[in-house]
Amino acid sequence: QQQVRQSPQSLTVWEGETAILNCSYENSAFDYFPWYQQFPGEGPALLIAIRSVSDKKEDGGFTIFFNKREKNLSLHIKDSQPGDSATYFCAASHDSGYNKLTFGKGTVLLVSP
Amino acid sequence: EAAVTQSPRNKVTVTGGNVTLSCRQTNSHNYMYWYRQDTGHGLRLIHYSYGAGNLQIGDVPDGYKATRTTQEDFFLLLELASPSQTSLYFCASSDRGRDTQYFGPGTRLLVL
Repeated sequence: QQQVRQSPQSLTVWEGETAILNCSYENSAFDYFPWYQQFPGEGPALLIAIRSVSDKKEDGGFTIFFNKREKNLSLHIKDSQPGDSATYFCAASHDSGYNKLTFGKGTVLLVSP
Repeated sequence: EAAVTQSPRNKVTVTGGNVTLSCRQTNSHNYMYWYRQDTGHGLRLIHYSYGAGNLQIGDVPDGYKATRTTQEDFFLLLELASPSQTSLYFCASSDRGRDTQYFGPGTRLLVL
């Protein structure tokens, strides 16, 4: 059972556009949602995270919009640059979740110049 | 920033072979994790640990053993490797269970 789903699998946008990456989850107990960014040949690294008490989190050009009722969230990358081309993973955890993250399958983002 | 190193970076073995993947973190984090990454599956948790001598079962543990010998060192053992275990393996560490996880550079394993 896939508890964290991401869409689309891959996304291509033009430089300067806003890229929107989607994530949905099944477990209502999830309350912490980090997004990790992975460049080819590297391990993932934390990009931005949100807790379920908030509906929006911004950090630079990255914004998470969170909808608790619909059990989904999205990552908006404003003014996308070729350097943002990477794989983005949505993850989730809950307080009694044995201190582990459940990752989605990832979205591969390509920003074309 | 946390430093997580993995060795070897690449490994080739044959079916039935014995493989040990090593991970070391130098920031005294309590939690360490082993993941595998496969196209179409994303990151899947194999085993994790919250301290020396502790081991917790992850989501895809079959065919894998792990051991946390010290605060710094976490090993993943494949005692009878199979082609289905061909994958990219990542180790990660975090201070507390729900804190930021810091990933190593990965080990690419090929089982022939």
